Amino acid sequence: GQSLEQPSEVTAVEGAIVQINCTYQTSGFYGLSWYQQHDGGAPTFLSYNALDGLEETGRFSSFLSRSDSYGYLLLQELQMKDSASYFCAGLTGANNLFFGTGTRLTVIP
Amino acid sequence: KAGVTQTPRYLIKTRGQQVTLSCSPISGHRSVSWYQQTPGQGLQFLFEYFSETQRNKGNFPGRFSGRQFSNSRSEMNVSTLELGDSALYLCASSLAQKNIQYFGAGTRLSVL
Repeated sequence: GQSLEQPSEVTAVEGAIVQINCTYQTSGFYGLSWYQQHDGGAPTFLSYNALDGLEETGRFSSFLSRSDSYGYLLLQELQMKDSASYFCAGLTGANNLFFGTGTRLTVIP
Repeated sequence: KAGVTQTPRYLIKTRGQQVTLSCSPISGHRSVSWYQQTPGQGLQFLFEYFSETQRNKGNFPGRFSGRQFSNSRSEMNVSTLELGDSALYLCASSLAQKNIQYFGAGTRLSVL
C-alpha cells in the first residue's frame, strides 16, 4: 500500500521557521513533492526532491532522506500569507502520485 | 499561458442523479489527473488520462469514470450520486511525468 503521514496541524509565529515532516511508505518510490493550498484555492506546486538532500527555493526548502523514508518542508521568515495547508506527495516509478492528508499551518502575529 | 480550467465551479445535485465535470489542461500538457478532496481525507486519486488513454486508476467504484479527448480536455462522470460523493473535485495537468502538477480551482459538488 501507499501511505504518507504528516502532522495535522502546526502553529508558528510570524518571522519564525517551521518544519513540516512527512514520513512515507510507498512501494516503488521515486520522489517527493510538496504542495500548498490556501482555503478555497487550488493546490500549487512548491518543490520536488528526487535525490537525497536539501532543495532550496527562496524562503522554502525541502529535504529528502530515502534511507529513512522521510522528508520535510522548511519555511523560513514566516509570513501571515503562509497560513495554508501543505501536502506532501509521493511519486512512484509507475508515475502514480499519492498525497498525504495535509498539514494545516497557522501563522500567528 | 492559461492555467487549468475546470467547469462548473459549483454544482448541486440530488442522490441518484449523474454529473459530468470538465477540465481543460494547460496547453501542451497531455496528462490529466482527477482527485477527490474531502475534509480530513486529503486528495484521493481517481484516475489519470494520457493521450486519450486511462493510464492509472485509483480505488473508486465504477460509478466514477472519465475520458480524454484528442485536444487533451478531459471529463469525469459520476453516476448514481450518493451523499458521500459531496466533495471538491480537482483536476491537474502535467507533462508526461507527474512530479510537477498544475491544479485547477476545482468543482465543488454537493449532493443533497
